[in-house]
Amino acid sequence: DAGVIQSPRHEVTEMGQEVTLRCKPISGHNSLFWYRQTMMRGLELLIYFNNNVPIDDSGMPEDRFSAKMPNASFSTLKIQPSEPRDSAVYFCASSNRDNRQPQHFGDGTRLSIL
Amino acid sequence: DAKTTQPTSMDCAEGRAANLPCNHSTISGNEYVYWYRQIHSQGPQYIIHGLKNNETNEMASLIITEDRKSSTLILPHATLRDTAVYYCIVKALENTGNQFYFGTGTSLTVIP
Repeated sequence: DAGVIQSPRHEVTEMGQEVTLRCKPISGHNSLFWYRQTMMRGLELLIYFNNNVPIDDSGMPEDRFSAKMPNASFSTLKIQPSEPRDSAVYFCASSNRDNRQPQHFGDGTRLSIL
Repeated sequence: DAKTTQPTSMDCAEGRAANLPCNHSTISGNEYVYWYRQIHSQGPQYIIHGLKNNETNEMASLIITEDRKSSTLILPHATLRDTAVYYCIVKALENTGNQFYFGTGTSLTVIP
């Protein structure tokens, strides 16, 4: 079975540009999570969705970040305008809403803002 | 969710059992213990979870003490591919959502 699919795997862009990260969760999963990982702060939850509805976005750093889930099989995380401090690895994960179920992670998008 | 404490790093000889400890002395009765690992340049990978009883699957065994204040993840025959950062997480079912809080984990190095 296909796991969580993220694209692109790597993104290098100049500050000020808009960045869009994409995620396809595992089919049948109804919870989706966006994380950011840096050396300084480790793995941080940015936002999560249940049944395509954003439930908690308290981890989103600021208004430059936005996330959408238009349907059960697709989500985007957008940064506009991007800044060098946004450089990190961004992970998407999905799970069943049963709280005992583990999350399954994609391989991440390594983002570098110059 | 309860905080966890793990050693920063550990070494293990290839072929030997790797025993990774985790303290969660403030764990509540409704909180599960989960283990994930992250191999370099990959996303975190689920390993195992449990509530009270010891658990075993094809990857590892989880031993939870009777008072549930600590647990040990056991990789029975460590290989070089088990070199990774291992995260111990405790999480209640009654949280509004399914978010996991990852700490700094234990960096396990399997030595040839």
